[in-house]
Amino acid sequence: EAQVTQNPRYLITVTGKKLTVTCSQNMNHEYMSWYRQDPGLGLRQIYYSMNVEVTDKGDVPEGYKVSRKEKRNFPLILESPSPNQTSLYFCASSPRGTGPYNEQFFGPGTRLTVL
Amino acid sequence: AQSVTQLDSHVSVSEGTPVLLRCNYSSSYSPSLFWYVQHPNKGLQLLLKYTSAATLVKGINGFEAEFKKSETSFHLTKPSAHMSDAAEYFCVVTRLSGSARQLTFGSGTQLTVLP
Repeated sequence: EAQVTQNPRYLITVTGKKLTVTCSQNMNHEYMSWYRQDPGLGLRQIYYSMNVEVTDKGDVPEGYKVSRKEKRNFPLILESPSPNQTSLYFCASSPRGTGPYNEQFFGPGTRLTVL
Repeated sequence: AQSVTQLDSHVSVSEGTPVLLRCNYSSSYSPSLFWYVQHPNKGLQLLLKYTSAATLVKGINGFEAEFKKSETSFHLTKPSAHMSDAAEYFCVVTRLSGSARQLTFGSGTQLTVLP
């Protein structure tokens, strides 16, 4: 089944404790992206990757890191989480071939709480 | 710069009556526009997309949207609401930055369908 998976689905942590949220897709997509969803703000793009070893900042990259060493994986790293990073996080992927018109395939989401 | 404004944060309709979810956009480029739906505790699913081929776009589950350049609008409609349509809906515009692609989401419209 074609899908985007995220782990963990739920995470409660404390301020300053490094964490990684994994994202993996099995559709051989070039483009992958991370979003955070907050009430009343919709989804905001954190980072995106056009292909392996190619990443760039979205609208809200502060406090986050990403890497793209393999095509299928795009982990989101919080080196020193803070309470304002409490949010619902979505990973998404799409093929690059036809530019901006491609459908984004979303993972199920990771609900992160930073105490 | 580009932006998306969803004019209603909440819409309530009775089952069997028409649905109208409003979206206005601004973009320096010819935009690609999308509508996504998010059911409770689920990821986002593409409803439909506008890619300049036709101004009236038909999507899944009986939804459609009309691109009106003169009004910079991309409103989502459905002739007859069903209980299963209750969800949050996001209007999205894609921008190109060189060869990169970034998405801007509206803040969302929560649709309630009353029996």
